[in-house]
Amino acid sequence: QSALTQPASVSGSPGQSITISCTGTSSDVGGYSHVSWYQQHPGKVPKLLIYEGNQRPSGVSYRFSGSKSGNTASLTISGLQAEDEADYYCCSYAGSHTFVFGTGTKVTVL
Amino acid sequence: EVQLVESGGGLVQPGGSLRLSCAASGFIFSTYWMHWVRQGPGKGLVWVSRINGDGSIQAYADSVKGRFTIARDNAKNTLYLQMDSLRAEDTAVYYCVREYDSSCALWGQGTLVTVSS
Repeated sequence: QSALTQPASVSGSPGQSITISCTGTSSDVGGYSHVSWYQQHPGKVPKLLIYEGNQRPSGVSYRFSGSKSGNTASLTISGLQAEDEADYYCCSYAGSHTFVFGTGTKVTVL
Repeated sequence: EVQLVESGGGLVQPGGSLRLSCAASGFIFSTYWMHWVRQGPGKGLVWVSRINGDGSIQAYADSVKGRFTIARDNAKNTLYLQMDSLRAEDTAVYYCVREYDSSCALWGQGTLVTVSS
């Protein structure tokens, strides 16, 4: 149950697109479609952005999208806005009813 | 209103025990898988445990297996986490979470557990 690997930080200018990677193994990210992404602003509760790899819950902006290739999942934020500055976490099902989160990525809007 | 409200956090000495509770309301509690997720001070999210709707299936992170026990009382719409043999590294905010399609869809506000002498 090792944490999924995410870059510590990603930055971009307003209006740009950025992508956050989430690398696991064939026992988690690569083995299942159950990858989700979360946004957490400082001092706040995490918020679900993407589930089942590329599905957006009602109310989540279309600017957030998810994908997966092999053992790596990705979250893309398009049209970057100041309010997108936050921490982002991926999460994957890891078999035997267990889950594992990523190490987290701090997004900075320049 | 759909919500999850955690309670039971506090200061406990190393080696001690604590039981967290999570009161669910606004939805049919017994039909959902539930999780506990924790976040140490200034650190990332860590998955802790999961339980199915009728309580017959439980799963744990390796770091808490054998020390923590997840349980639920569907008659009381309440989720529990019994934490024994607590260590300093268990210090964290503990979130109660409702699952949807294998994701952590609904989060409580969290309860802080501090393990220190």
